[in-house]
Amino acid sequence: SQTIHQWPATLVQPVGSPLSLECTVEGTSNPNLYWYRQAAGRGLQLLFYSVGIGQISSEVPQNLSASRPQDRQFILSSKKLLLSDSGFYLCAWSLAGVGRPLHFGNGTRLTVT
Amino acid sequence: GENVEQHPSTLSVQEGDSAVIKCTYSDSASNYFPWYKQELGKRPQLIIDIRSNVGEKKDQRIAVTLNKTAKHFSLHITETQPEDSAVYFCAASKSDNDMRFGAGTRLTVKP
Repeated sequence: SQTIHQWPATLVQPVGSPLSLECTVEGTSNPNLYWYRQAAGRGLQLLFYSVGIGQISSEVPQNLSASRPQDRQFILSSKKLLLSDSGFYLCAWSLAGVGRPLHFGNGTRLTVT
Repeated sequence: GENVEQHPSTLSVQEGDSAVIKCTYSDSASNYFPWYKQELGKRPQLIIDIRSNVGEKKDQRIAVTLNKTAKHFSLHITETQPEDSAVYFCAASKSDNDMRFGAGTRLTVKP
């Protein structure tokens, strides 16, 4: 069966510091991969999605970036964090094709101080 | 792009009562509508989904209805239990990379 791993679970970083969140999927090949952000008490905002290695689409212009160096690895990065980057970051995967549900990782709670 | 609106934002019911959450979508090409449940501090988990060629789907105490003409779909939970308390999200998509979520409904089931 497929599993998704996301780490770290929690992170406290000062403003201006870099960020790297990692997500890996097991048990499937060539999944679609996604990064979502959830502000406190809010909905899910799509940040990036990828349909293949090196293929990244950005939904929201910001100081975050994403990379997919391997088929089942998705990384969210920032060179300099802002206070507004605080939130709950969720990685997700789905099979390719229409009508496929998303399967979320356990999330990373990021607090920028 | 797709816009999904969800209401109510909060819902409180007595244990055993029914709960209904409604969503509307803007893009008539959307054809897949999942519902997710998120408990406090945890990841959203799929509880039920429906495709545009089906009007209703049921799984035990949970059912989802879809009205394509009106572009709205609803989640129905019957015989609610305290463990149903969570935030529920609806979503809509028409391709495999554009799933858009509603803002969420915080459901509280009072024992």
